[in-house]
Amino acid sequence: KNQVEQSPQSLIILEGKNCTLQCNYTVSPFSNLRWYKQDTGRGPVSLTIMTFSENTKSNGRYTATLDADTKQSSLHITASQLSDSASYICVVSVGAQKLVFGTGTRLLVSP
Amino acid sequence: DGGITQSPKYLFRKEGQNVTLSCEQNLNHDAMYWYRQDPGQGLRLIYYSQIVNDFQKGDIAEGYSVSREKKESFPLTVTSAQKNPTAFYLCASSIDTRAYNEQFFGPGTRLTVL
Repeated sequence: KNQVEQSPQSLIILEGKNCTLQCNYTVSPFSNLRWYKQDTGRGPVSLTIMTFSENTKSNGRYTATLDADTKQSSLHITASQLSDSASYICVVSVGAQKLVFGTGTRLLVSP
Repeated sequence: DGGITQSPKYLFRKEGQNVTLSCEQNLNHDAMYWYRQDPGQGLRLIYYSQIVNDFQKGDIAEGYSVSREKKESFPLTVTSAQKNPTAFYLCASSIDTRAYNEQFFGPGTRLTVL
């Protein structure tokens, strides 16, 4: 069964601190993995895309990693800001056929 | 300014009523999608369309209907047959329906049944 699991479910950090969100997947065949940021009451916006051959990709203060052997990805946020408060969703493409969505990690950055 | 728009932002429905959610895109994308988002669950696919005048059921199509008469528009009707329609509804579009292509999402419509 194709599955995407994210942890933690929710997280509270102080402004300026770093954090790492996890995504484990069991899909076949794997095409790519995206991290989306979803502000409360808004639609998701793509942060990064990882393909099988990529280990690390950065987008400003966001850095995504992918370990295709262990089927794990992480999203690291550096020097967090209040505007980083959102849900972060991991989405995996199963071949060309289907997307599998994680349930998301809700991040709250506290002043 | 390209993108996807959804309206209304908030919608209230009485039990037994049908309501229609609007989705418009000016990205010239062939594929469009409707998802439902509930607390603690991942997005679930309701319907998708590869091209004008064609659409396919997703994983949870019961109680919903769609049309695709124009490339830019993909309205979703929530019928009275949908048992638990209160949710956040997201429309998305992409170049085509191949899953590895990026989907661009609209701002969403929150539907509440009174």
